[in-house]
Amino acid sequence: AQKVTQAQTEISVVEKEDVTLDCVYETRDTTYYLFWYKQPPSGELVFLIRRNSFDEQNEISGRYSWNFQKSTSSFNFTITASQVVDSAVYFCALSEDPNQAGTALIFGKGTTLSVSS
Amino acid sequence: ETGVTQSPTHLIKTRGQQVTLRCSSQSGHNTVSWYQQALGQGPQFIFQYYREEENGRGNFPPRFSGLQFPNYSSELNVNALELDDSALYLCASSSRLPGELFFGEGSRLTVL
Repeated sequence: AQKVTQAQTEISVVEKEDVTLDCVYETRDTTYYLFWYKQPPSGELVFLIRRNSFDEQNEISGRYSWNFQKSTSSFNFTITASQVVDSAVYFCALSEDPNQAGTALIFGKGTTLSVSS
Repeated sequence: ETGVTQSPTHLIKTRGQQVTLRCSSQSGHNTVSWYQQALGQGPQFIFQYYREEENGRGNFPPRFSGLQFPNYSSELNVNALELDDSALYLCASSSRLPGELFFGEGSRLTVL
């Protein structure tokens, strides 16, 4: 069965600190996608990144970076020089090939990040 | 470009009642998914509609049903409400690109 584990329930940092959010996944599929979403207090989930199972290249987008390691089934997310606006709940998610019928994502329980000034 | 909008934003129902939640998808998106997010949990996939037909369903009972209209808007209906149905219900639209979903702000349902 597919499963996503975010072991960190809550993380508190001070502005400008770097912070890494951990994500470990389980799947029997050889083709799958991994995602990170951000949920601010307003409630809507905001798409941050998609990575397919054949692409283990790390990615950097501004202050955000992602480290995908198939050997450890992990897809960790790092925010560099955190800011108060980064405060939100962050979800890691997994999907088998979304090009098939259904775009069901399996979400972890989320990590609440609080950045104080 | 109009984003995903949901209504109502909040509602309170009692056990046994029925509820209808509505979602307007983002312009140009023909696929709508519904998720249930209980407090402190990640969203759980309920079902997806593509071209007015359900084409994917999660582990939810038949009293959760839906519709998609020709303009791609959608409804989620829940019959015989139970206390555990209290949650934030999120609608997401997509254009069938791999997994990039655009979510609305949700409808928060409280069942008393």
